[in-house]
Amino acid sequence: EIVLTQSPGTLSLSPGERATLSCRANQSVSSSYLAWYQQKPGQAPRLLIYGASSRATGIPDRFSGSGSGTDFTLTISRLEPEDFAVYYCQQYGNSPHTFGQGTKLEIK
Amino acid sequence: QVQLVQSGAEVKKPGASVKVSCKASGYTFTSYYMHWVRQAPGQGLEWMGIINPSGGSTSYAQKFQGRVTMTRDTSTSTVYMELSSLRSEDTAVYYCARGDLCSSTNCYAHYWGQGTLVTVSS
Repeated sequence: EIVLTQSPGTLSLSPGERATLSCRANQSVSSSYLAWYQQKPGQAPRLLIYGASSRATGIPDRFSGSGSGTDFTLTISRLEPEDFAVYYCQQYGNSPHTFGQGTKLEIK
Repeated sequence: QVQLVQSGAEVKKPGASVKVSCKASGYTFTSYYMHWVRQAPGQGLEWMGIINPSGGSTSYAQKFQGRVTMTRDTSTSTVYMELSSLRSEDTAVYYCARGDLCSSTNCYAHYWGQGTLVTVSS
């Protein structure tokens, strides 16, 4: 199975700063079938990015995704207070559709 | 609007089975796959499998093969996930999520249910 490793585990930043989250796969992700989700405490995950770089409906343009093959990045250009949450990447090109372990984005 | 409404919390004893439902509305039920994903307390997300509501075909993560069964009822636009031989490690919130832009079973999870807490305890 494809193992996704997210880094860092925790990212401490201030509102207005830029956040860069990494997701690395142990083998190539088919056709850039890579998604990013945001999850806040007590809530279901929310889709942000699919196909490595396409924003889901209603997602602000401060969220962007990039990468291909084994290395992917989620960038939040200017952090808003509501962006502090846990972020997961997921590959959906090979079964099982594995998730990374998550990056917690916390307020500094 | 797309809505996925899941059944309520369950408490089960080890060795028992649980069946969680997910009722879809706001779209054509048979046109979109449905994922099941779980999350143990304080842990990350774990993909369990996917069902095609159109024909009922399924694909399960190897980890759950033999213990999980995903079914659907097109008359009520509801999908079900049954997990058997429960153990304490199965205590988790179970989510259904609609799969979008599917190429076979390769689809991301767009809309999510609210989650169902299943507690396994003696």
